[in-house]
Amino acid sequence: GQQVQQSPASLVLQEGENAELQCNFSTSLNSMQWFYQRPGGSLVSLFYNPSGTKHSGRLTSTTVIKERRSSLHISSSQTTDSGTYLCASNTGNYKYVFGAGTRLKVIA
Amino acid sequence: EAAVTQSPRNKVAVTGGKVTLSCNQTNNHNNMYWYRQDTGHGLRLIHYSYGAGSTEKGDIPDGYKASRPSQENFSLILELATPSQTSVYFCASGEDREGEQYFGPGTRLTVL
Repeated sequence: GQQVQQSPASLVLQEGENAELQCNFSTSLNSMQWFYQRPGGSLVSLFYNPSGTKHSGRLTSTTVIKERRSSLHISSSQTTDSGTYLCASNTGNYKYVFGAGTRLKVIA
Repeated sequence: EAAVTQSPRNKVAVTGGKVTLSCNQTNNHNNMYWYRQDTGHGLRLIHYSYGAGSTEKGDIPDGYKASRPSQENFSLILELATPSQTSVYFCASGEDREGEQYFGPGTRLTVL
């Protein structure tokens, strides 16, 4: 079945620095989604991005279906960006498979 | 605003007891999902449903049952709870088989 690899596993940034988070999929996918989660918190959908590039404020998501990968770019990081970023893929069979996440810490 | 709610938010149960976790969605989505999240494992799919009356096994269904009595409600049932089922449980809804998912706030379950 589908496996999802996220990198890096953890990341520490100085406030103002940019970050690039990666998600790689072992098989072809029909859609994927990026989430943000605070410790002990729920999952907040950042992007539903089956293909191409999407922007939201300081965040940009790019999914390249034929290369089976997606990235999340955070520009000008802020301390409030700290948390865990999760990606999930769907192969068209109702089921989403999640990566283990990237734990981001932004320090002032 | 569309929403997914879960109850209870926190639950302490005893080994061998029955636990029911409830989920309600006002999104009018056909699909609903139950996941558990554990350190080192990310989110794993337990059961899902693509409409009232249907339930399907996810990737880790053993020890769990599910019930979908209506479009809005989806329950996860632990008939004989075990300490290994201590976890955070999330419910989600989605419009179609590969569409965007919307998550509830989670239920923290501790089985003693």
